[in-house]
Amino acid sequence: AQKVTQAQTEISVVEKEDVTLDCVYETRDTTYYLFWYKQPPSGELVFLIRRNSFDEQNEISGRYSWNFQKSTSSFNFTITASQVVDSAVYFCAGLYNFNKFYFGSGTKLNVKP
Amino acid sequence: KAGVTQTPRYLIKTRGQQVTLSCSPISGHRSVSWYQQTPGQGLQFLFEYFSETQRNKGNFPGRFSGRQFSNSRSEMNVSTLELGDSALYLCASSSRPEGNTIYFGEGSWLTVV
Repeated sequence: AQKVTQAQTEISVVEKEDVTLDCVYETRDTTYYLFWYKQPPSGELVFLIRRNSFDEQNEISGRYSWNFQKSTSSFNFTITASQVVDSAVYFCAGLYNFNKFYFGSGTKLNVKP
Repeated sequence: KAGVTQTPRYLIKTRGQQVTLSCSPISGHRSVSWYQQTPGQGLQFLFEYFSETQRNKGNFPGRFSGRQFSNSRSEMNVSTLELGDSALYLCASSSRPEGNTIYFGEGSWLTVV
């Protein structure tokens, strides 16, 4: 089976806390791509990052960082010093064998002031 | 560069009616895909078009159809609307096969009463 699992349905944190969103993927393909998207209440999914299966380097962009570990089939997303504007639903997705996208069920992040 | 544009943004239809949603992809993108998002089912893939040809199709009844025009603009149609068709319909475009990232529009919120 090919899929993406986001076990955390909803997370609530207080502003300035660090938070990690988990993503576990499943595929037998050797070539695949992993993504994170942010969906604010307006509805549009905003692209955050893409990683391919041959690039296991971690990525940092401002307060955002991503940890890709093939050994555990995980692609986790950490927000450092969270802010209220980070409140949204975050989706992890996988593109396997250049075919179609598989989205996780999403994690709703609530950042309280 | 303009993003993915979807129209209309909001609409209300009556059971049994049909609806057509429109999507204009990012300039230069030839691949357009459609997703349905509901609170209970999450993001579900409807279909993908590339150069006016349907490449992939999800598990939706035949009431859901789509097409793509020579200018890459796409439409999706839902006939004989049911209450369960109430959802956010998202269109995404990409430069596939060259690029693998899909970029989403703001979506069309459909309410069936």
